[in-house]
Amino acid sequence: DQQVKQNSPSLSVQEGRISILNCDYTNSMFDYFLWYKKYPAEGPTFLISISSIKDKNEDGRFTVFLNKSAKHLSLHIVPSQPGDSAVYFCAASSGVSGSARQLTFGSGTQLTVLP
Amino acid sequence: DAGVTQSPTHLIKTRGQQVTLRCSPISGHKSVSWYQQVLGQGPQFIFQYYEKEERGRGNFPDRFSARQFPNYSSELNVNALLLGDSALYLCASSRDLRSYEQYFGPGTRLTVT
Repeated sequence: DQQVKQNSPSLSVQEGRISILNCDYTNSMFDYFLWYKKYPAEGPTFLISISSIKDKNEDGRFTVFLNKSAKHLSLHIVPSQPGDSAVYFCAASSGVSGSARQLTFGSGTQLTVLP
Repeated sequence: DAGVTQSPTHLIKTRGQQVTLRCSPISGHKSVSWYQQVLGQGPQFIFQYYEKEERGRGNFPDRFSARQFPNYSSELNVNALLLGDSALYLCASSRDLRSYEQYFGPGTRLTVT
């Protein structure tokens, strides 16, 4: 049972345009959501996060939107650059008091930004 | 500041053997988590350790074990290796047990033949 889903395995975007990566979740107990970027032969790199009490968080070219009623979040990258080409993972964290904050990941979306 | 470091980078083992993977967290971080990533999937949670104690465990068999040392570094052990254990093993560190932001190392690529 996949609690975090990224339904698009790949996305191609022209340089300078907007990239929109989507993620859906099923567990209402998730209280933080994170996006990671992963290049081949490297570990995932933290990009941006959002608390479940917010609907938007922005950091430079990256903005994450959360629609809690739809259990949906998206990552917007504007403008897209060739160096953004990587696999993007959506991850969710639940916070039960005293227990570990494990991350539950989606299966990733390969973003290719074309020059 | 150094990020999360892992060793070795690559490892080839035979079915039935045992393997130990090592991780050093970011300086000042007290919690270490281990994840397994198989090709085409996202990382899957194996363990979290905090202050040398296991504080969380994912759906992995008892062949998988780990420990954390007083300097907060950690080892992941896998016994009786199966072909299906071939994966990228990722270590992540976080400041404490309640921190939701986790920072990953480059991983150890394990191949079981």
